[in-house]
Amino acid sequence: GAGVSQSPSNKVTEKGKDVELRCDPISGHTALYWYRQSLGQGLEFLIYFQGNSAPDKSGLPSDRFSAERTGGSVSTLTIQRTQQEDSAVYLCASSLKSGGVGNEQFFGPGTRLTVL
Amino acid sequence: AQSVTQPDIHITVSEGASLELRCNYSYGATPYLFWYVQSPGQGLQLLLKYFSGDTLVQGIKGFEAEFKRSQSSFNLRKPSVHWSDAAEYFCAVGSSGGSYIPTFGRGTSLIVHP
Repeated sequence: GAGVSQSPSNKVTEKGKDVELRCDPISGHTALYWYRQSLGQGLEFLIYFQGNSAPDKSGLPSDRFSAERTGGSVSTLTIQRTQQEDSAVYLCASSLKSGGVGNEQFFGPGTRLTVL
Repeated sequence: AQSVTQPDIHITVSEGASLELRCNYSYGATPYLFWYVQSPGQGLQLLLKYFSGDTLVQGIKGFEAEFKRSQSSFNLRKPSVHWSDAAEYFCAVGSSGGSYIPTFGRGTSLIVHP
């Protein structure tokens, strides 16, 4: 595709419900990243994929958070039993490769998650 | 571990004035450095990047940044700010190889007065 797309753009859910956030990276980009941006905060790294594998899951804040990537393309971030503190904008980025020249990241517009 | 510091949380300038946003990094080798801009409700857009070579880097929208190794800095500049430049600006540092997880600063919010 022309750019990184994310869906939904906005999600309002009730505390305790599960949510799935989707990211479609730029075609051919092997690396994919998820970040969380809370109000007035910088970017918090969550997880990184190289192809379909996730070499680094160190940023996932709890075991309620999980992510997968299939076919080296689409990725889904799942948050189970959502809590109010999960409210944030979730950003996805992709890059041609990881490391070195070519790791310039292209960001999607984000999904704004609100947990009531 | 690499880190990025953006000392200014908010910067206010008048339209037409010059701008400099500060970024200091910590990294053991030659860093890859980036500046991104985030307009309200949008994702991050790359303004410019430094990988190697000329330490003065030109970017989009009239922005430039200068890599100063001795000061571990990569400050963003623009000679004349436009009202549309009001946004959040993020500096980031990346590694030159291996597992690449870029580190972002906390961001600087630019307010432009007419």
